[in-house]
Amino acid sequence: ETGVTQTPRHLVMGMTNKKSLKCEQHLGHNAMYWYKQSAKKPLELMFVYSLEERVENNSVPSRFSPECPNSSHLFLHLHTLQPEDSALYLCASSQDRFRAEAFFGQGTRLTVV
Amino acid sequence: TQLLEQSPQFLSIQEGENLTVYCNSSSVFSSLQWYRQEPGEGPVLLVTVVTGGEVKKLKRLTFQFGDARKDSSLHITAAQPGDTGLYLCAGAPGNSGGSNYKLTFGKGTLLTVNP
Repeated sequence: ETGVTQTPRHLVMGMTNKKSLKCEQHLGHNAMYWYKQSAKKPLELMFVYSLEERVENNSVPSRFSPECPNSSHLFLHLHTLQPEDSALYLCASSQDRFRAEAFFGQGTRLTVV
Repeated sequence: TQLLEQSPQFLSIQEGENLTVYCNSSSVFSSLQWYRQEPGEGPVLLVTVVTGGEVKKLKRLTFQFGDARKDSSLHITAAQPGDTGLYLCAGAPGNSGGSNYKLTFGKGTLLTVNP
Protein backbone atom coordinates (compact mmCIF):
# COMPACT_ATOMS: atom_id res chain seq x y z
CA GLU A 1 0.00 0.00 0.00
CA THR A 2 1.14 3.50 -0.76
CA GLY A 3 1.64 5.82 2.22
CA VAL A 4 -1.05 8.38 1.39
CA THR A 5 -3.97 7.40 -0.83
CA GLN A 6 -6.49 9.81 -2.35
CA THR A 7 -9.78 9.05 -4.07
CA PRO A 8 -11.08 9.77 -6.58
CA ARG A 9 -8.11 10.56 -8.83
CA HIS A 10 -10.28 12.61 -11.19
CA LEU A 11 -13.57 14.41 -10.57
CA VAL A 12 -15.78 16.51 -12.81
CA MET A 13 -18.62 18.28 -11.07
CA GLY A 14 -21.19 20.93 -11.81
CA MET A 15 -21.43 24.10 -9.80
CA THR A 16 -24.54 22.89 -7.99
CA ASN A 17 -23.19 19.45 -7.09
CA LYS A 18 -21.95 18.20 -3.73
CA LYS A 19 -19.00 15.84 -3.68
CA SER A 20 -16.30 14.72 -1.26
CA LEU A 21 -12.61 13.98 -1.63
CA LYS A 22 -11.12 11.25 0.55
CA CYS A 23 -7.61 10.80 1.88
CA GLU A 24 -6.18 7.93 3.92
CA GLN A 25 -2.67 7.65 5.32
CA HIS A 26 -0.97 4.42 6.42
CA LEU A 27 2.14 6.02 7.91
CA GLY A 28 1.00 6.42 11.50
CA HIS A 29 1.30 10.19 11.23
CA ASN A 30 -0.54 12.62 13.49
CA ALA A 31 -0.94 15.60 11.13
CA MET A 32 -2.83 15.78 7.85
CA TYR A 33 -3.16 18.57 5.30
CA TRP A 34 -5.12 19.72 2.28
CA TYR A 35 -3.25 21.69 -0.39
CA LYS A 36 -4.47 23.25 -3.63
CA GLN A 37 -2.20 23.26 -6.67
CA SER A 38 -3.22 25.56 -9.52
CA ALA A 39 -1.36 26.27 -12.73
CA LYS A 40 1.36 28.90 -12.40
CA LYS A 41 0.87 29.22 -8.63
CA PRO A 42 2.75 27.75 -5.69
CA LEU A 43 1.06 25.06 -3.62
CA GLU A 44 -1.44 26.70 -1.29
CA LEU A 45 -2.02 25.27 2.18
CA MET A 46 -5.77 25.06 2.85
CA PHE A 47 -6.34 23.16 6.08
CA VAL A 48 -4.24 21.45 8.74
CA TYR A 49 -5.37 18.85 11.24
CA SER A 50 -3.22 17.78 14.16
CA LEU A 51 -4.47 14.83 16.23
CA GLU A 52 -7.89 15.30 14.61
CA GLU A 53 -8.09 18.94 15.66
CA ARG A 54 -8.15 21.63 13.01
CA VAL A 55 -5.22 23.95 13.66
CA GLU A 56 -5.21 25.95 10.45
CA ASN A 57 -7.87 27.28 8.14
CA ASN A 58 -6.01 29.39 5.64
CA SER A 59 -8.81 31.79 4.63
CA VAL A 60 -10.49 29.12 2.56
CA PRO A 61 -14.04 29.82 1.30
CA SER A 62 -16.80 28.01 3.17
CA ARG A 63 -17.75 26.03 0.06
CA PHE A 64 -14.78 23.83 1.09
CA SER A 65 -15.46 21.94 4.32
CA PRO A 66 -12.85 19.60 5.80
CA GLU A 67 -13.50 16.68 8.12
CA CYS A 68 -11.02 14.56 10.05
CA PRO A 69 -12.80 11.68 11.83
CA ASN A 70 -9.53 10.06 12.99
CA SER A 71 -5.80 10.52 12.49
CA SER A 72 -5.75 8.26 9.41
CA HIS A 73 -8.59 9.77 7.42
CA LEU A 74 -9.27 13.21 5.99
CA PHE A 75 -12.13 14.41 3.84
CA LEU A 76 -12.78 17.56 1.86
CA HIS A 77 -16.48 18.20 1.26
CA LEU A 78 -17.25 20.36 -1.74
CA HIS A 79 -20.45 22.25 -2.55
CA THR A 80 -21.45 25.04 -4.93
CA LEU A 81 -17.94 25.34 -6.31
CA GLN A 82 -16.86 27.83 -8.95
CA PRO A 83 -14.91 27.12 -12.16
CA GLU A 84 -11.84 28.84 -10.64
CA ASP A 85 -11.79 26.09 -8.01
CA SER A 86 -10.64 23.66 -10.68
CA ALA A 87 -7.21 22.45 -9.60
CA LEU A 88 -5.21 19.51 -8.28
CA TYR A 89 -6.12 18.93 -4.63
CA LEU A 90 -3.37 17.25 -2.68
CA CYS A 91 -3.57 15.56 0.68
CA ALA A 92 -0.43 15.22 2.76
CA SER A 93 0.60 13.92 6.15
CA SER A 94 3.54 14.48 8.46
CA GLN A 95 4.69 12.83 11.64
CA ASP A 96 3.31 15.75 13.58
CA ARG A 97 2.81 19.48 13.00
CA PHE A 98 6.30 20.21 14.33
CA ARG A 99 7.95 18.26 11.51
CA ALA A 100 8.19 19.99 8.17
CA GLU A 101 8.53 16.96 5.89
CA ALA A 102 5.27 16.26 4.11
CA PHE A 103 4.26 13.03 2.42
CA PHE A 104 1.78 13.64 -0.38
CA GLY A 105 -0.93 11.60 -1.97
CA GLN A 106 -1.33 11.40 -5.74
CA GLY A 107 -3.95 14.15 -5.76
CA THR A 108 -7.46 14.57 -7.10
CA ARG A 109 -7.74 16.46 -10.37
CA LEU A 110 -10.95 18.48 -9.96
CA THR A 111 -12.75 20.16 -12.83
CA VAL A 112 -15.76 22.37 -12.11
CA VAL A 113 -18.03 22.92 -15.09
CA THR B 1 4.95 36.97 3.76
CA GLN B 2 7.72 34.55 2.91
CA LEU B 3 8.33 33.92 -0.80
CA LEU B 4 10.50 31.39 -2.56
CA GLU B 5 11.63 32.14 -6.11
CA GLN B 6 12.74 29.20 -8.21
CA SER B 7 14.82 29.51 -11.35
CA PRO B 8 14.76 28.70 -14.10
CA GLN B 9 11.02 28.07 -14.53
CA PHE B 10 11.64 25.68 -17.42
CA LEU B 11 14.72 23.69 -18.40
CA SER B 12 15.08 21.30 -21.32
CA ILE B 13 18.37 19.44 -21.68
CA GLN B 14 19.86 16.35 -23.31
CA GLU B 15 20.59 13.14 -21.48
CA GLY B 16 24.05 13.22 -19.92
CA GLU B 17 24.18 16.97 -19.32
CA ASN B 18 24.62 18.58 -15.91
CA LEU B 19 22.27 21.19 -14.52
CA THR B 20 21.64 23.38 -11.49
CA VAL B 21 18.34 24.85 -10.33
CA TYR B 22 17.96 27.50 -7.68
CA CYS B 23 15.62 28.41 -4.86
CA ASN B 24 15.99 31.91 -3.43
CA SER B 25 14.33 34.02 -0.77
CA SER B 26 14.92 37.12 1.31
CA SER B 27 13.58 35.21 4.34
CA VAL B 28 15.36 32.82 6.66
CA PHE B 29 14.04 29.27 6.88
CA SER B 30 14.56 26.75 9.68
CA SER B 31 14.77 24.00 7.07
CA LEU B 32 14.24 23.57 3.38
CA GLN B 33 13.00 20.61 1.41
CA TRP B 34 13.16 19.58 -2.22
CA TYR B 35 10.38 17.59 -3.85
CA ARG B 36 9.97 16.09 -7.32
CA GLN B 37 6.54 15.88 -8.88
CA GLU B 38 5.75 13.86 -11.97
CA PRO B 39 2.72 14.64 -14.17
CA GLY B 40 -0.53 13.53 -12.57
CA GLU B 41 1.15 12.63 -9.28
CA GLY B 42 1.80 14.25 -5.92
CA PRO B 43 5.18 15.67 -4.90
CA VAL B 44 7.70 13.19 -3.52
CA LEU B 45 10.16 14.33 -0.87
CA LEU B 46 13.78 14.11 -1.99
CA VAL B 47 15.73 15.73 0.84
CA THR B 48 15.59 18.09 3.82
CA VAL B 49 18.44 20.47 4.61
CA VAL B 50 18.62 22.09 8.01
CA THR B 51 22.03 23.59 8.70
CA GLY B 52 23.41 26.65 6.88
CA GLY B 53 26.05 25.53 4.36
CA GLU B 54 24.86 21.92 4.50
CA VAL B 55 25.44 19.74 1.44
CA LYS B 56 23.55 16.49 0.91
CA LYS B 57 23.97 14.00 -1.89
CA LEU B 58 21.38 11.57 -3.23
CA LYS B 59 23.03 9.53 -5.99
CA ARG B 60 23.48 12.03 -8.85
CA LEU B 61 21.66 14.82 -7.04
CA THR B 62 23.52 17.31 -4.81
CA PHE B 63 21.58 19.70 -2.60
CA GLN B 64 23.07 22.72 -0.88
CA PHE B 65 21.58 25.03 1.75
CA GLY B 66 22.94 28.59 1.76
CA ASP B 67 25.03 29.75 4.69
CA ALA B 68 22.32 32.22 5.72
CA ARG B 69 19.54 29.63 5.26
CA LYS B 70 17.78 31.84 2.70
CA ASP B 71 18.53 29.90 -0.47
CA SER B 72 19.29 26.48 -1.84
CA SER B 73 20.45 24.80 -5.01
CA LEU B 74 19.97 21.41 -6.60
CA HIS B 75 22.65 20.10 -8.96
CA ILE B 76 22.06 17.04 -11.12
CA THR B 77 25.01 15.28 -12.72
CA ALA B 78 24.60 13.32 -15.95
CA ALA B 79 20.84 13.85 -16.16
CA GLN B 80 18.66 10.96 -17.31
CA PRO B 81 15.14 10.93 -18.78
CA GLY B 82 13.89 9.55 -15.47
CA ASP B 83 14.88 12.85 -13.84
CA THR B 84 12.14 14.61 -15.79
CA GLY B 85 9.63 16.33 -13.53
CA LEU B 86 8.69 19.44 -11.59
CA TYR B 87 11.23 20.22 -8.88
CA LEU B 88 9.73 22.11 -5.94
CA CYS B 89 11.49 23.69 -3.00
CA ALA B 90 9.66 24.36 0.25
CA GLY B 91 10.81 26.24 3.31
CA ALA B 92 9.71 25.89 6.92
CA PRO B 93 9.42 29.22 8.74
CA GLY B 94 12.48 30.46 10.55
CA ASN B 95 10.58 31.68 13.54
CA SER B 96 7.74 29.20 13.56
CA GLY B 97 6.90 28.97 17.24
CA GLY B 98 6.35 25.30 16.52
CA SER B 99 4.36 25.76 13.31
CA ASN B 100 6.80 24.00 11.02
CA TYR B 101 3.90 22.73 8.93
CA LYS B 102 3.45 26.22 7.41
CA LEU B 103 5.59 25.43 4.40
CA THR B 104 6.23 28.07 1.76
CA PHE B 105 6.49 26.49 -1.68
CA GLY B 106 8.14 27.85 -4.79
CA LYS B 107 6.41 27.56 -8.17
CA GLY B 108 8.91 24.95 -9.27
CA THR B 109 11.33 24.25 -12.09
CA LEU B 110 9.95 22.02 -14.83
CA LEU B 111 12.83 19.85 -16.05
CA THR B 112 12.71 17.84 -19.26
CA VAL B 113 15.57 15.47 -20.03
CA ASN B 114 15.51 14.35 -23.63
CA PRO B 115 16.94 10.95 -24.61
